[in-house]
Amino acid sequence: DAGVIQSPRHEVTEMGQEVTLRCKPISGHNSLFWYRQTMMRGLELLIYFNNNVPIDDSGMPEDRFSAKMPNASFSTLKIQPSEPRDSAVYFCASSFHLLGRRNYQPQHFGDGTRLSIL
Amino acid sequence: AQKITQTQPGMFVQEKEAVTLDCTYDTSDPSYGLFWYKQPSSGEMIFLIYQGSYDQQNATEGRYSLNFQKARKSANLVISASQLGDSAMYFCAMRDRSGSRLTFGEGTQLTVNP
Repeated sequence: DAGVIQSPRHEVTEMGQEVTLRCKPISGHNSLFWYRQTMMRGLELLIYFNNNVPIDDSGMPEDRFSAKMPNASFSTLKIQPSEPRDSAVYFCASSFHLLGRRNYQPQHFGDGTRLSIL
Repeated sequence: AQKITQTQPGMFVQEKEAVTLDCTYDTSDPSYGLFWYKQPSSGEMIFLIYQGSYDQQNATEGRYSLNFQKARKSANLVISASQLGDSAMYFCAMRDRSGSRLTFGEGTQLTVNP
């Protein structure tokens, strides 16, 4: 079975450029999560979608970050303009979850995108 | 607010021995799930094992088992018969009743020596 697929695996770009990270969740999963991992802050949840609708975006750092999920099989995380402090590994994860129901299905992670902003 | 604490930044174990990685948590929610993930040097996050707060028995998954002590709010990961491939960063995480946010600990770097 295909897992969560992220692209690109690595991205190096200059400050000020637009960066778009892509994610394809596991088929059948209705919840999608974007995380950021840095040495200083560890793993942080940026945004969470359920049935393509953003449920919790309280972790999105600032207006430079935006995320979309136009359909059940695709999501993007965009940074515009990018800054050196955005350098991190960005993970996408998916699971199945019914809102309002107790549900502890594990989140399955993609391999991550290692982003370097020069 | 939820909090996960992993007090061991690094652990060392001899190949074929067992090792316990500590995890304590804090939550006011009576219903929650606890997870362990492995992150090898290649970077991916691999789900290992899950324990529900109402589960009567400790979770086991192959060489992985979870020593769940609810009164102490601890969920330690036990790896039996360590292998060189077990060398990685291990994260403990908790999910609350809403099922959305995973709160991660800071991780424990495990090194298995031959």
